[in-house]
Amino acid sequence: AQSVTQPDIHITVSEGASLELRCNYSYGATPYLFWYVQSPGQGLQLLLKYFSGDTLVQGIKGFEAEFKRSQSSFNLRKPSVHWSDAAEYFCAAFSGTYKYIFGTGTRLKVLA
Amino acid sequence: DTGVSQDPRHKITKRGQNVTFRCDPISEHNRLYWYRQTLGQGPEFLTYFQNEAQLEKSRLLSDRFSAERPKGSFSTLEIQRTEQGDSAMYLCASSRGLAGGGEQFFGPGTRLTVL
Repeated sequence: AQSVTQPDIHITVSEGASLELRCNYSYGATPYLFWYVQSPGQGLQLLLKYFSGDTLVQGIKGFEAEFKRSQSSFNLRKPSVHWSDAAEYFCAAFSGTYKYIFGTGTRLKVLA
Repeated sequence: DTGVSQDPRHKITKRGQNVTFRCDPISEHNRLYWYRQTLGQGPEFLTYFQNEAQLEKSRLLSDRFSAERPKGSFSTLEIQRTEQGDSAMYLCASSRGLAGGGEQFFGPGTRLTVL
């Protein structure tokens, strides 16, 4: 069955430290992959997406993600975290038809 | 582009009552989705419209749930005879499908509390 897994429910980092959030997918073929961020009381906002081509994609707010086909992963990274990055992050996959599947999310806490 | 809007933002109701939520998508988007999100979970797909046609419904969508998208514009999601288990955030999203790069645009959600 198609699935998206985010193994880390909570992650805590200090402000200024680097960040990596993990995402693994299980699909018959490589899906379109997305990272969204959700702040309290806000809708989901797209950070970045991967369709094909360069496996390192740049997004908004200084985020990037790397697609690794051999590991079925699409991990999100940021070199230096800001306190305003505290939020919940969702990885999602799209098969190209109509259906999107979301991971369970990773809640990021940033220590001052 | 004013984004996706949802109304109301919060709804508190008593068990057994009917509730209706509205979603106004981005005007040029032909695809519209409803999701349910509970605490600690990602959005779960409920249903999908392409223009006015409801093309897919999740098994999560019991007979008490119904959604419409008349004229392919705004959409409504109705829950009849609400149960406490219906308490959740209901999210609406719209997109242009692959023509828009596959990106979905989400509304702020309607938080439903069933007492």
